[in-house]
Amino acid sequence: AQKITQTQPGMFVQEKEAVTLDCTYDTSDPSYGLFWYKQPSSGEMIFLIYQGSYDQQNATEGRYSLNFQKARKSANLVISASQLGDSAMYFCAMRLYNQGGKLIFGQGTELSVKP
Amino acid sequence: KAGVTQTPRYLIKTRGQQVTLSCSPISGHRSVSWYQQTPGQGLQFLFEYFSETQRNKGNFPGRFSGRQFSNSRSEMNVSTLELGDSALYLCASSFVAGQGPSEQYFGPGTRLTVT
Repeated sequence: AQKITQTQPGMFVQEKEAVTLDCTYDTSDPSYGLFWYKQPSSGEMIFLIYQGSYDQQNATEGRYSLNFQKARKSANLVISASQLGDSAMYFCAMRLYNQGGKLIFGQGTELSVKP
Repeated sequence: KAGVTQTPRYLIKTRGQQVTLSCSPISGHRSVSWYQQTPGQGLQFLFEYFSETQRNKGNFPGRFSGRQFSNSRSEMNVSTLELGDSALYLCASSFVAGQGPSEQYFGPGTRLTVT
């Protein structure tokens, strides 16, 4: 069965430092996409970054990068130069390409950025 | 370009009642997916609609139903509400629902409280 595991319920990071949020996934399907979303206390899910299973290079979007290790089935999110506004819940999700738009989410990591 | 909109944003209902939630996707997006988010179960996939057809369905009872209109707007209906239906209901839109990469963008959610 397909599954996303985020083992860090909560994380603290000092402002301006980098932080890595862990995500491992389980699927035997070769075609999939991995996503990271940010959810502030307001509730809206904000798309951060995407990595396809066939992508050769790790995805980057501004301060966000995805450390994709296919053999280990991990897709960790790296946030560089943390800002106070980065404090939020972060969710890792997977979509199997043969299952349309269905996303499978992990339990999330609550990130707190300290001044 | 306008984002995904959901109405209403907040709703309070009584057990046994029914409720209809609405989602308007990003212009040009034809796929709409619905998710339920609760503290205990996390984010769970409800169903997905593409071109007015349900393409995928999660593991929810038949009290949960949906539909999509020709303009891609989607509605979700919950009948005979139970206390456990209290949740944040999120909808997401994407350009494609078939195979291949496609980012999904979420709306702000509808927070439903059942008393």
